[in-house]
Amino acid sequence: AQSVTQPDIHITVSEGASLELRCNYSYGATPYLFWYVQSPGQGLQLLLKYFSGDTLVQGIKGFEAEFKRSQSSFNLRKPSVHWSDAAEYFCAVGAFLGGATNKLIFGTGTLLAVQP
Amino acid sequence: DGGITQSPKYLFRKEGQNVTLSCEQNLNHDAMYWYRQDPGQGLRLIYYSQIVNDFQKGDIAEGYSVSREKKESFPLTVTSAQKNPTAFYLCASLEDRGPYPSGANVLTFGAGSRLTVL
Repeated sequence: AQSVTQPDIHITVSEGASLELRCNYSYGATPYLFWYVQSPGQGLQLLLKYFSGDTLVQGIKGFEAEFKRSQSSFNLRKPSVHWSDAAEYFCAVGAFLGGATNKLIFGTGTLLAVQP
Repeated sequence: DGGITQSPKYLFRKEGQNVTLSCEQNLNHDAMYWYRQDPGQGLRLIYYSQIVNDFQKGDIAEGYSVSREKKESFPLTVTSAQKNPTAFYLCASLEDRGPYPSGANVLTFGAGSRLTVL
C-alpha cells in the first residue's frame, strides 16, 4: 500500500541554522513527490515537487529537496531558516485514482518551530 | 485572482445536526477533492470528483455526502452519522490533464473550514 512517513513530529531550530525534514515513501511505481507548507489555520501551499529528471529540486522560499530512490526518501532542506518558516510541513506522494485523476497521500506532518 | 474559496471559516454544530461546507473554485479545474485534517494524522481523503455529476468515495467517506452539480462547486455535508466530525476540512482542486507527469497535476488548496461539534 502507498504510504508516506514523516518520522519527526516536531522540530525546533534556531534562526539562521540549517534545516532538514525527513520524508520516506512507499509506492510501487515511479513516485511523484511533493512538499507542502501550512501556516496555522490556513490551507496548504506547494513548496516543490518532483516528477522526473534531476533528483535535486528547487522550490519557493529557498527550499530544496532531494529524491533518493535507493532510500525511498525525499527530504526537504533549507540552508538558513528564517523565523517566518515556522509552520507545519507535509510530504505527499501522488497516486492514481483511476481514469485520469490522481490523489495525494500525505504524511502526518512535521511541525517546525524557530527559536530567535 | 483565481483560487478556491471555502466557507464558513469557522462553524459550530450541535450533535445530531447536519452541516454543509461550501467550496467554490474559479480556476476552471476539472477535479475537486475534500480532505479532513486531524492533529497528528495528516490529511485524509473524504470524497473526490473528476467531472460534473460524478463523485467517488475516498478513504473516510462514512458520515459525509457531496454533490457536484456545477464545475466550480463541490459542497460537503457532514451528517449526523459522522461520529467524530470535529476537524479542519480542506477543499482542493486539480486541472486534470491526465496521469503524471503532467505539470498541471498539482493540487491547489482552499484556506479550510474548521468545524467544531458542541
